[in-house]
Amino acid sequence: GQQLNQSPQSMFIQEGEDVSMNCTSSSIFNTWLWYKQDPGEGPVLLIALYKAGELTSNGRLTAQFGITRKDSFLNISASIPSDVGIYFCAGQLSAGGTSYGKLTFGQGTILTVHP
Amino acid sequence: DSGVTQTPKHLITATGQRVTLRCSPRSGDLSVYWYQQSLDQGLQFLIQYYNGEERAKGNILERFSAQQFPDLHSELNLSSLELGDSALYFCASSVEPWDRADEQYFGPGTRLTVT
Repeated sequence: GQQLNQSPQSMFIQEGEDVSMNCTSSSIFNTWLWYKQDPGEGPVLLIALYKAGELTSNGRLTAQFGITRKDSFLNISASIPSDVGIYFCAGQLSAGGTSYGKLTFGQGTILTVHP
Repeated sequence: DSGVTQTPKHLITATGQRVTLRCSPRSGDLSVYWYQQSLDQGLQFLIQYYNGEERAKGNILERFSAQQFPDLHSELNLSSLELGDSALYFCASSVEPWDRADEQYFGPGTRLTVT
């Protein structure tokens, strides 16, 4: 089945630093999404990307849909302690008027921010 | 709060038993998705329903089944439980699974522990 490779697996940074993480796939996706999950909670949607090459921002978060449709990047600028959590990329494939709907998730990036 | 509700929040049961997890989608959402999150497998798609009908199946075991009722709530039934079924089970919902990939909003999850 489709696999998403997300890196890095974990990051330890100082408050105020910028963060970058990425996801690559062996096959193309039509949509890329980025989620954040806090302990004991469900994933929360951060950014959705629908077009190859698209660059979208949500506050201090910026994500890009790779031109090849096989990768995506998430950047967090000026990190703050509440950015701590697990970040997941997810790819979604739709075809011919019928969306498969299902998401394929990366393994997650654990972000720790030191004050 | 995503608007997706799941009950119960925690469930502890013994091997061989059967349990039912319940999900109520966001108001207006017709599509429901079930995911399993475990330490070794990460987040895995199980099954999708749209307006009462099964739309897509993922890595769902034969011991597991689901359904979506006329009021759009969904139940995931897990039977002949094994230790390896211990995981977080998430429900997500979206408006509709058409060709444009839609955004899924996750519930808080049910933590299942099989002893």
